[in-house]
Amino acid sequence: DAGVTQSPTHLIKTRGQHVTLRCSPISGHKSVSWYQQVLGQGPQFIFQYYEKEERGRGNFPDRFSARQFPNYSSELNVNALLLGDSALYLCASSPVGELLYNEQFFGPGTRLTVL
Amino acid sequence: GNSVTQMEGPVTLSEEAFLTINCTYTATGYPSLFWYVQYPGEGLQLLLKATKADDKGSNKGFEATYRKETTSFHLEKGSVQVSDSAVYFCALQVDSSYKLIFGSGTRLLVRP
Repeated sequence: DAGVTQSPTHLIKTRGQHVTLRCSPISGHKSVSWYQQVLGQGPQFIFQYYEKEERGRGNFPDRFSARQFPNYSSELNVNALLLGDSALYLCASSPVGELLYNEQFFGPGTRLTVL
Repeated sequence: GNSVTQMEGPVTLSEEAFLTINCTYTATGYPSLFWYVQYPGEGLQLLLKATKADDKGSNKGFEATYRKETTSFHLEKGSVQVSDSAVYFCALQVDSSYKLIFGSGTRLLVRP
């Protein structure tokens, strides 16, 4: 089975531009989460979506937005890019069920560089 | 608030040495605890997990025990290999279907 896929792999933008990152979850997974990983740090939670609705949001400005589609794929949008938005953006999917916890499966990430 | 603290790296070891990477946490409620590994140029892979106090997670020779009394989840391996060189992240999850909170990561370098 295919794992979580993300596109593009790498992206270079300039300050002030807009970017859209895409994620396809593992087949059968209905929850998608987005994380930002700045170089040398641990991933920081941005959003979680389940059944096309936002279930959680991290401490990120309104320039960051996301959505989930009927096929459970997701997009992360960032407006008015800043140099500090340069990071690896990770998408994770999880099955979400009657478990004590829900394991999250991560994609390879999109490396965003803002110049 | 909820947080994870890891020992700073890099940790440099010779092949077959014993590994310990310390991880302590602060959390409300009863978190699940995880260790993720990130190989160069790749995303995160779940290495092991523990969902309640005294549980021991294990995988590929790595082990970690959920110690509620010391709020710790230290990662250990008895004999490391060069292929274990990677960045290791300790993480917690307080809600059953919610976000992961990660530590800052510990880079491990194993020399032949």
